Amino acid sequence: GDSVTQMEGPVTLSEEAFLTINCTYTATGYPSLFWYVQYPGEGLQLLLKATKADDKGSNKGFEATYRKETTSFHLEKGSVQVSDSAVYFCALSDPRTNAGKSTFGDGTTLTVKP
Amino acid sequence: DGGITQSPKYLFRKEGQNVTLSCEQNLNHDAMYWYRQDPGQGLRLIYYSQIVNDFQKGDIAEGYSVSREKKESFPLTVTSAQKNPTAFYLCASSIIQGGTEAFFGQGTRLTVV
Repeated sequence: GDSVTQMEGPVTLSEEAFLTINCTYTATGYPSLFWYVQYPGEGLQLLLKATKADDKGSNKGFEATYRKETTSFHLEKGSVQVSDSAVYFCALSDPRTNAGKSTFGDGTTLTVKP
Repeated sequence: DGGITQSPKYLFRKEGQNVTLSCEQNLNHDAMYWYRQDPGQGLRLIYYSQIVNDFQKGDIAEGYSVSREKKESFPLTVTSAQKNPTAFYLCASSIIQGGTEAFFGQGTRLTVV
């Protein structure tokens, strides 16, 4: 079945540092890929997405590129802020199905210190 | 504004009691989902529904029950058979087509006292 593997956390960075959170996936088809963010005590929010190979999703300074050859969707940000402290989830959903279900990674906790 | 509303935000349950968590959406989504999140862990699927009056078990359905009598509503009951119910519960919805994003509620934190 489909699966998503994220780099283990927690990740602690200083403000303005460069961020990379690795995500690789296993899927039989050509899934859509997503990054969600969860702030403390809240639900998940979609951060960005990509639906086909070589697509780049971007939002709020975060970027991720759909790499089919390496089955990866790594999240990057050039300069993190304290307000970026949250849990980040990588996920996929198979467009061939009509189930609408997503497969999530285990999440990576990011703490940004001033 | 369209979205998903979960209530209550905090819920306390005594040993042996059933409790029901509410989830309502006004996004006109056909599919709805319940996830459980434990501290420092990912999401585990409890139940999902793709259409009114139909639902399927997820990975950890034991000790839980759901109903889908209306498109907008997907309540989750945590029964006394669930031995370790203390967790953060998240409701989500999406259109039925695969490959699309899920929309989440704000969550309900359930604590057994």
